[in-house]
Amino acid sequence: AQKITQTQPGMFVQEKEAVTLDCTYDTSDQSYGLFWYKQPSSGEMIFLIYQGSYDEQNATEGRYSLNFQKARKSANLVISASQLGDSAMYFCAMEGYSSASKIIFGSGTRLSIRP
Amino acid sequence: ETGVTQTPRHLVMGMTNKKSLKCEQHLGHNAMYWYKQSAKKPLELMFVYSLEERVENNSVPSRFSPECPNSSHLFLHLHTLQPEDSALYLCASSQDLGQGHSYEQYFGPGTRLTVT
Repeated sequence: AQKITQTQPGMFVQEKEAVTLDCTYDTSDQSYGLFWYKQPSSGEMIFLIYQGSYDEQNATEGRYSLNFQKARKSANLVISASQLGDSAMYFCAMEGYSSASKIIFGSGTRLSIRP
Repeated sequence: ETGVTQTPRHLVMGMTNKKSLKCEQHLGHNAMYWYKQSAKKPLELMFVYSLEERVENNSVPSRFSPECPNSSHLFLHLHTLQPEDSALYLCASSQDLGQGHSYEQYFGPGTRLTVT
């Protein structure tokens, strides 16, 4: 069975501060992918960053980095130097790469950036 | 042209109506997806098409019927829906690695469906 858990329903952060959004997962697949998506109030889901289970280095994309700790089954998103435009819902997702697996999403974290 | 487009953006329909949602991707991807996003529930995968063949059908009621005529277009046909089907329906596309698995997916803006 696969499971994704985001324990922070909402967070408030001061502009220009760094923020960490938590994500833990569980899977029996040996190979899997971890994703973070951003959903602004407009509704569109925007891909942010991807981490493969066999990638040795943590993924980074601009101000986004993924703190991947395989043994702890966690894949936290770190946003450096937060901006007002970062206010949105953030979803962690996982896809096992066995034939029986499918992509699943966490319940999301609503991030609000204070000016 | 934006990557993934969806029409209509908003739809209100009665329980006896028949309507269709349309999705089009301009990214050259070979896999397309339908998701349902209800309030206070995680995003739910409904259907996956890879190379125009359905590879995933997540126990979705038969009142939802997908159609994928080619790799760029995806439809969701709706009939005799229930009020609990009111939700945001998101379409996505990706480059398939096999069996409907992929790296990142690119989403459309969604169709906000209200069933009265």
